[in-house]
Amino acid sequence: ILNVEQSPQSLHVQEGDSTNFTCSFPSSNFYALHWYRWETAKSPEALFVMTLNGDEKKKGRISATLNTKEGYSYLYIKGSQPEDSATYLCAFIDAGGTSYGKLTFGQGTILTVHP
Amino acid sequence: NAGVTQTPKFRVLKTGQSMTLLCAQDMNHEYMYWYRQDPGMGLRLIHYSVGEGTTAKGEVPDGYNVSRLKKQNFLLGLESAAPSQTSVYFCASRDRVDSPLHFGNGTRLTVT
Repeated sequence: ILNVEQSPQSLHVQEGDSTNFTCSFPSSNFYALHWYRWETAKSPEALFVMTLNGDEKKKGRISATLNTKEGYSYLYIKGSQPEDSATYLCAFIDAGGTSYGKLTFGQGTILTVHP
Repeated sequence: NAGVTQTPKFRVLKTGQSMTLLCAQDMNHEYMYWYRQDPGMGLRLIHYSVGEGTTAKGEVPDGYNVSRLKKQNFLLGLESAAPSQTSVYFCASRDRVDSPLHFGNGTRLTVT
């Protein structure tokens, strides 16, 4: 079973704070890393697909970096707003063999932004 | 544009009963997945399919079976439901191995 770990499990910040959280994954056999945002009572929605070591992606106030050699990705939110409150999930895709096409999720980081 | 549709949305079963959850996608996607969501556990992969006629086991396949007879449909079956299978089930699909997932709205299943 692949070990995809996210930290912290939960985070409370004040409106306007910047924050970041981590996704750790196996550094061998890497194919891609996804980030998803999951609001309560909705379905997860894709934020980023990251494939290359050193990748940096940005969408508005949210950005992500990728280090495949050491097996981690950071998600950053600048100037958090209450509408950023959600669970943020990462998913690891390994390079194939018997696990071709398989996505393994971390347990998520629950972000609460207080007004 | 329907995307990924799951039926039913809710279901209550008694221990030992069987049922099938249907996932249908209208995007011609190759890859389809069934996950279960439990508190504090994130999304755990039950079974997945990399194309019509193929299926593979995920992290928690025991007690479930799947079939992908048509490209657009991925069925998840519970032959003899147990209370441990009480969960929210999500189906997802994607068109290529480097594409993100598109999720359905979930099926909330309670087994009493």
